[in-house]
Amino acid sequence: AQSVTQPDIHITVSEGASLELRCNYSYGATPYLFWYVQSPGQGLQLLLKYFSGDTLVQGIKGFEAEFKRSQSSFNLRKPSVHWSDAAEYFCAVESYGQNFVFGPGTRLSVLP
Amino acid sequence: EPEVTQTPSHQVTQMGQEVILRCVPISNHLYFYWYRQILGQKVEFLVSFYNNEISEKSEIFDDQFSVERPDGSNFTLKIRSTKLEDSAMYFCASSQGGGNTIYFGEGSWLTVV
Repeated sequence: AQSVTQPDIHITVSEGASLELRCNYSYGATPYLFWYVQSPGQGLQLLLKYFSGDTLVQGIKGFEAEFKRSQSSFNLRKPSVHWSDAAEYFCAVESYGQNFVFGPGTRLSVLP
Repeated sequence: EPEVTQTPSHQVTQMGQEVILRCVPISNHLYFYWYRQILGQKVEFLVSFYNNEISEKSEIFDDQFSVERPDGSNFTLKIRSTKLEDSAMYFCASSQGGGNTIYFGEGSWLTVV
């Protein structure tokens, strides 16, 4: 069955530290891949997306993600986290003919 | 940048009442969606809508739910008789289809008491 997993439910990092949030998918073909961020009580904001081409994708707020076909992964990274990055992060996947599916989310806490 | 707008941002309703959540998708988009997120849980697909009909729905989208595009601009989600477990954030989304980005609204908080 098609699925999206985010192995880390909750991650805590110190401000200024680097960040990597993991996302793995299980689909028959290469899907379209997305990362969204959700601040408490807020909507979903698109950080970045991958459709094709360069496997390293740059997004807003200094985030980037790398698509690795061999690992079926699309991990989100940021070199230096800011306190305002504390939020819930959702990986999402869309495959042709399938619905847009969200992962369970990873909650990011940032220590001062 | 064009955006998906949703109203109301928050609604409190009594159990058993009907609720209509409204959405204005991005104007040149063809595919419309509703998702929901129960507090603290993942975002779940409810229904997709294309060419004036439901193209797919999840098992959550039972007979209590319906969607409509009444006037070519609005896209509504109706819950006929709300239950406590319908309390959630409901997100509307739209896209041009074909793998293009799905844009989400800010969500409508529904609290059923």
